[in-house]
Amino acid sequence: TQLLEQSPQFLSIQEGENLTVYCNSSSVFSSLQWYRQEPGEGPVLLVTVVTGGEVKKLKRLTFQFGDARKDSSLHITAAQPGDTGLYLCAGPYQGGSEKLVFGKGTKLTVNP
Amino acid sequence: KAGVTQTPRYLIKTRGQQVTLSCSPISGHRSVSWYQQTPGQGLQFLFEYFSETQRNKGNFPGRFSGRQFSNSRSEMNVSTLELGDSALYLCASGLSATNEKLFFGSGTQLSVL
Repeated sequence: TQLLEQSPQFLSIQEGENLTVYCNSSSVFSSLQWYRQEPGEGPVLLVTVVTGGEVKKLKRLTFQFGDARKDSSLHITAAQPGDTGLYLCAGPYQGGSEKLVFGKGTKLTVNP
Repeated sequence: KAGVTQTPRYLIKTRGQQVTLSCSPISGHRSVSWYQQTPGQGLQFLFEYFSETQRNKGNFPGRFSGRQFSNSRSEMNVSTLELGDSALYLCASGLSATNEKLFFGSGTQLSVL
């Protein structure tokens, strides 16, 4: 069972559309991070959300941390082909050995 | 400031061989974590090193090992390669053992034939 469940697994949209991807868990996290990974590259940290209910904006990307700190969402407005990539959420997990546990990601394709 | 450097970028091996992957963290970073990424399983934690000591280890067989040198550079070794070891191996550096912000390298794409 995946500690962090991401949905949808795949998403293909046209340029200019809006979209939301989700990261859910049954466990409480002290913080959650979002990464974007482009083909052939490693993940790059986009944002860290720390406080329940927190909303952070990064240009056209809006990140929200759930009030109960069990879930997070990423909303992209007017998607562009450059947004194409694998979006991963990750969080520190006290019950495991790793520093960060990752979801499997949402693979986003934005078609021109 | 240079990022995390992983070498080689691509590697093709055959079953039964062994392989060594290298990672140079960001200057000043002393924590190095290794992850295996496959389409089916996502990122799975291999191990983490800090100050030349293995702090944590994931649920991988003993064929997977690693080490960290005094200059914080790290290597991971996989012996007796299996087809299922084909994956992208990612190294991530962190400032300290407790800092959760990770900076990833571009990875080594290993193909086992």
